Amino acid sequence: GAGVSQSPSNKVTEKGKDVELRCDPISGHTALYWYRQSLGQGLEFLIYFQGNSAPDKSGLPSDRFSAERTGGSVSTLTIQRTQQEDSAVYLCASSLVGGIQETQYFGPGTRLLVL
Amino acid sequence: AQSVTQLDSHVSVSEGTPVLLRCNYSSSYSPSLFWYVQHPNKGLQLLLKYTSAATLVKGINGFEAEFKKSETSFHLTKPSAHMSDAAEYFCVVSDGPSNTGKLIFGQGTTLQVKP
Repeated sequence: GAGVSQSPSNKVTEKGKDVELRCDPISGHTALYWYRQSLGQGLEFLIYFQGNSAPDKSGLPSDRFSAERTGGSVSTLTIQRTQQEDSAVYLCASSLVGGIQETQYFGPGTRLLVL
Repeated sequence: AQSVTQLDSHVSVSEGTPVLLRCNYSSSYSPSLFWYVQHPNKGLQLLLKYTSAATLVKGINGFEAEFKKSETSFHLTKPSAHMSDAAEYFCVVSDGPSNTGKLIFGQGTTLQVKP
């Protein structure tokens, strides 16, 4: 079956512009996660959605970052007024349900470069 | 707080020889532990996971890991390396206190396999 998909695969933007990154989770998965992979910080958690519950935003690095999940499926991560330090690969993952024993399936990522 | 430490940033082996990638974890809860692999320009793929069942966990592609509570370790092994095993490997713990399943990644170990 189809895995997690993300778009665009690559994004180049200028400092100060806003960007939107999209994630389509595996059908039927109620939990969705965003992570960021950067050279300096490694892989770090950003935000978590589970069903209709309030998202866990504890990993968002600043208020320029936000995310939403519409209809319990597709999610969009928005970065406003991008900075060069936002350059990274943004990874989306989904799991059947949330929880510490669940397997997360990762998408291929969106590579963001801020000039 | 939960954390993982991968003891080697780079491991080099010859094809056909054993692989050992070392990981130590810190957790005040019964942890769920994972190993993920990332091939160049590919997404993260789950190799195996430990979720408090058998301490010796078998994964895909001949990899296995043993959970040792007394040593707080979860080392990844494979009896005989193959060229296709060259990749980056991440030891991961699931964040127990939040129970959301958000993952905490080690810094990664790059495995080089020489012919």
